[in-house]
Amino acid sequence: GNSVTQMEGPVTLSEEAFLTINCTYTATGYPSLFWYVQYPGEGLQLLLKATKADDKGSNKGFEATYRKETTSFHLEKGSVQVSDSAVYFCALGKGTGGGNKLTFGTGTQLKVEL
Amino acid sequence: EPEVTQTPSHQVTQMGQEVILRCVPISNHLYFYWYRQILGQKVEFLVSFYNNEISEKSEIFDDQFSVERPDGSNFTLKIRSTKLEDSAMYFCASSASLRGGQETQYFGPGTRLLVL
Repeated sequence: GNSVTQMEGPVTLSEEAFLTINCTYTATGYPSLFWYVQYPGEGLQLLLKATKADDKGSNKGFEATYRKETTSFHLEKGSVQVSDSAVYFCALGKGTGGGNKLTFGTGTQLKVEL
Repeated sequence: EPEVTQTPSHQVTQMGQEVILRCVPISNHLYFYWYRQILGQKVEFLVSFYNNEISEKSEIFDDQFSVERPDGSNFTLKIRSTKLEDSAMYFCASSASLRGGQETQYFGPGTRLLVL
């Protein structure tokens, strides 16, 4: 079945540091890949997505490239801010008949300090 | 910007009681989902719903769970006889279409259910 593996957290960085959160997946066919973010006390918000190989999703300075050859979708940001502190979830979406469940990774907590 | 809303934000119940969690999806969306997140664990898919019927469900979604779209706006999750292990954050989501899994699902803020 489909699965998503994310790097363990928590990750603690200083403001303006470079961020990488690793995500790899296992799936048959051609899934779409998503990064969702969960700020403290809030629900899940879509951060970015990519729907085919070599696509790059980007939003708010975050980027991730869909790498089919390495089955990866690593999240990166060049300079993090304190406001980026949140839990980041990598997810895989693949249509299955009439539905489309998302399969999530375990989430990676990011804490950015001044 | 349109958003998914959920009520209540918190629910405390006794084991064995029935609970109904309510969601109002984005108005022009056609596909609806429930997920749950047990504290400290990953978000897990429960069920998807389209055209007034379940299109897919997970192993978690057993006979104690049911979903319904009672009118044109609400989407509900019912747990008939709650267990301690049902304690979790429950998220509703909706999407406009499927597009082979490419379509973005928009999530509500969640209902935190605590079963005592």
